[in-house]
Amino acid sequence: GESVGLHLPTLSVQEGDNSIINCAYSNSASDYFIWYKQESGKGPQFIIDIRSNMDKRQGQRVTVLLNKTVKHLSLQIAATQPGDSAVYFCAENAGGNTPLVFGKGTRLSVIA
Amino acid sequence: DAGVTQSPTHLIKTRGQHVTLRCSPISGHKSVSWYQQVLGQGPQFIFQYYEKEERGRGNFPDRFSARQFPNYSSELNVNALLLGDSALYLCASSLRQGGEKLFFGSGTQLSVL
Repeated sequence: GESVGLHLPTLSVQEGDNSIINCAYSNSASDYFIWYKQESGKGPQFIIDIRSNMDKRQGQRVTVLLNKTVKHLSLQIAATQPGDSAVYFCAENAGGNTPLVFGKGTRLSVIA
Repeated sequence: DAGVTQSPTHLIKTRGQHVTLRCSPISGHKSVSWYQQVLGQGPQFIFQYYEKEERGRGNFPDRFSARQFPNYSSELNVNALLLGDSALYLCASSLRQGGEKLFFGSGTQLSVL
C-alpha cells in the first residue's frame, strides 16, 4: 500500500534504544488523548489513551505523559524494535459528541 | 474477533463520477465514524453516526454524505468526484458516540483521475 507519511517529521532510533515522540495539542478544552500507530497500507492502530485527570499512564513498553499546562503529550517506547517503525499520531477529544481530532504525525524509523 | 472491515480496499474513479464506500463495525459497536486521510497528513473527520443518526459532521462539502443501517454498518457516498478527493478513507467504530477509543479499519484507497 501507499505510504501515509512521505513528508512527516522523522525520528530515527537505534534498535533497543528508547524512543520519545512528542505532540503539541491545540484545544485547551480537550480532556481525552490517544496515541495511534499507522503502518503503511493500514489504518491507525490504538496504542494507549489517557484522560486529563492523569499525567502519566503506562502500557506494555509504552508510556504516555500529559502536560496540560503547556498542552503537550509524549509517547515513550521502551527498547524500540524494528516492528515499531511506523507513523505515530496523537489525537485529542474535547468530550461530549465532539470528534477525535488528529495531529500531524511523526514517522519513527528504527535502525537495526 | 473481526475488526472493522472496509470495502473495497482500492478504487479508481474519474472526475465527476460517484463512489460508495462500505464499512462494517466491530460487533457490538453502535457508532461509526468516517475520516479522510490525504497523503502525508493525519486523518480528517468527515462524519459520525450513532444509532443510525448523524451525530457529527466535519468541514466537508455537501457532495459527501453517509448513512448507517440497522445492523450498524455504514456507507460513505461522494458525488461529483474531484481530483482532490483522492485519499485514504478510513472508517472507525466505537461503543459510544463521541471521540473516544475509535478502532479503525484498513481503509479504502480512492484515486480520482
